[in-house]
Formats: sequence, C-alpha cells, structure tokens
Amino acid sequence: ETGVTQSPTHLIKTRGQQVTLRCSSQSGHNTVSWYQQALGQGPQFIFQYYREEENGRGNFPPRFSGLQFPNYSSELNVNALELDDSALYLCASSLSSGGAEAFFGQGTRLTVV
Amino acid sequence: GDSVTQMEGPVTLSEEAFLTINCTYTATGYPSLFWYVQYPGEGLQLLLKATKADDKGSNKGFEATYRKETTSFHLEKGSVQVSDSAVYFCALRRADSWGKFQFGAGTQVVVTP
Repeated sequence: ETGVTQSPTHLIKTRGQQVTLRCSSQSGHNTVSWYQQALGQGPQFIFQYYREEENGRGNFPPRFSGLQFPNYSSELNVNALELDDSALYLCASSLSSGGAEAFFGQGTRLTVV
Repeated sequence: GDSVTQMEGPVTLSEEAFLTINCTYTATGYPSLFWYVQYPGEGLQLLLKATKADDKGSNKGFEATYRKETTSFHLEKGSVQVSDSAVYFCALRRADSWGKFQFGAGTQVVVTP
C-alpha cells in the first residue's frame, strides 16, 4: 500500500461538464504530479505541483488546472469535458529529488459520454 | 524532447520462461530510469530503479542495468510466474523536473501455466 489515495475511483460525466478529482499524497511528500492514461497507453504528464505552486506542465490545454493544499493534498480540475478526456487519471507523490521514488495512487477512471 | 521506447506486446510466455523487455530512451543529461508495473484495475507500482550509469536495479527477481552507451534499460527475469502477468512501463525522470516521468507505451506480459 502506497499511502496515496485518490477519489472517486470511478466517475461518469457528460460532455461539457466540469470535474474535480482528488488526491491525498503520501505523508511528508512535497511534490504531487498528475497523469492521464488513455486505454492501452502509457501515462502522460499533465502537471506537477511543488509547495502549492505549479512548476511543470505537459502538453495539456488550460482547461486542465490544479491545486495543491498546505497538507500536500491536491485536486485536478477539468473544465468543458470532451469525449477524449475519458481516461484513467493518476496522481503521484514524491520528494523533490530526481532519484526519489514516486508513489502512485490507484487512479480515477473518468468516462465522458 | 525526452522519449522512451519499449517493445510492443503482448509478450506471451510459459511459466518458468525467461523474460526480457527492451527499453531505450532519449534524454539530455543523466536521467534516472525506472520500471513500473501495473496490474489490472490498479495504479502503478515501482518495480526497480537506477539513478546513474552502470547501476543495476533489482527487485522480486527482476533486474535492469542502466546502460548509458546504448541508452537502454532492459528488464529481465530468469523465471516468470503466472503472477507476473501485468503491464510493464519503462520511464525516465530528469533531475531538473523531478515530478515528471516520461513513460513508454507499456508492454503487456501474459504468463500461462
């Protein structure tokens, strides 16, 4: 068990709606990252937060946004949902070191209809 | 930009067979290299890692050696079990962007009794 928990585990939304996904990081970890994993593909980096500020972003549009709270928990918000947003969303927490292990949550399966 | 290429699956093996999954990477500098495993319906679990050239990561009978000269990090296991059936992801992470993993597309491994 990694100590990284995500909620909800499954979610169904309608195109055009907004969604908020939540992540509780491993205790003591100051960095949280979010990934989108489409079916049959590897996870794609969305962004990372370090000490409550976004400090790295992948190739995702601004309708993907996030927050990190003082207790290092995090949210991923997606506005104006599109069908292609259907995927497994993974949260990972780690320390601020390139060699440090990252711990992944079990993911939130988002289906947009 | 950074990239990770791993062999396509599925790889189907009999129990006790030898497993190799090839992984090569492109990156500037000296990234850390990782193998993650994903079981059905779950998030990612770290299998092993290596943080510098010639390092060998090992865990649960799996091994991989960081080869700078060939930019490779091939995963091997001498005798697979049915419980090793999963999707395996090779990934890199640069020291200057510690929260961002660049993943390969994943290789599905199916082990039959």
